[in-house]
Amino acid sequence: DAGVIQSPRHEVTEMGQEVTLRCKPISGHDYLFWYRQTMMRGLELLIYFNNNVPIDDSGMPEDRFSAKMPNASFSTLKIQPSEPRDSAVYFCASSLAENWNTGELFFGEGSRLTVL
Amino acid sequence: GQNIDQPTEMTATEGAIVQINCTYQTSGFNGLFWYQQHAGEAPTFLSYNVLDGLEEKGRFSSFLSRSKGYSYLLLKELQMKDSASYLCAVPSGGSYIPTFGRGTSLIVHP
Repeated sequence: DAGVIQSPRHEVTEMGQEVTLRCKPISGHDYLFWYRQTMMRGLELLIYFNNNVPIDDSGMPEDRFSAKMPNASFSTLKIQPSEPRDSAVYFCASSLAENWNTGELFFGEGSRLTVL
Repeated sequence: GQNIDQPTEMTATEGAIVQINCTYQTSGFNGLFWYQQHAGEAPTFLSYNVLDGLEEKGRFSSFLSRSKGYSYLLLKELQMKDSASYLCAVPSGGSYIPTFGRGTSLIVHP
């Protein structure tokens, strides 16, 4: 089985540019999460979806960030306009509802974003 | 909300035993999780504790004391490949979504 697939793996962009990160969850998983990881703040939850519906976006830092899940096999996280402080590794993770209460999330390899 | 505290870094010798502690404060407890993350890679699930006591899984064991807000991850017979960051995670009150601590970077040396 393929795991969670994220693209791009690395992105370097200039301040003010739009950034789109993509995620394909594991087939059949009901939940999808976007996390951001930095040295200073660790791994932070940005937003999560259940059956393609956004449930909690309270972790999205500001209006420059948006996330969509148009279908069960695809999600995007968009930053517009990007700023240097957005530089981080962005992880997508998915989970099955039946494993939900054991906290077992399956993470993608992450997208390392550098904003100059 | 919740507050999770774990040491930033630990070092240990190959073949030894190491204990990584985690203390937490949370409103509403739905379990505690440990994840392993090698440098440049994704976090991977290690263990889940919801009841007090020790859960053993091969060389790794995880302990929980709910009354003390305390957990530890015990790694035995350390191997070089165990060098990684170990993340303690506790869901926020009423949910099952793991909120992660900043992790403990474990360095295993020969």
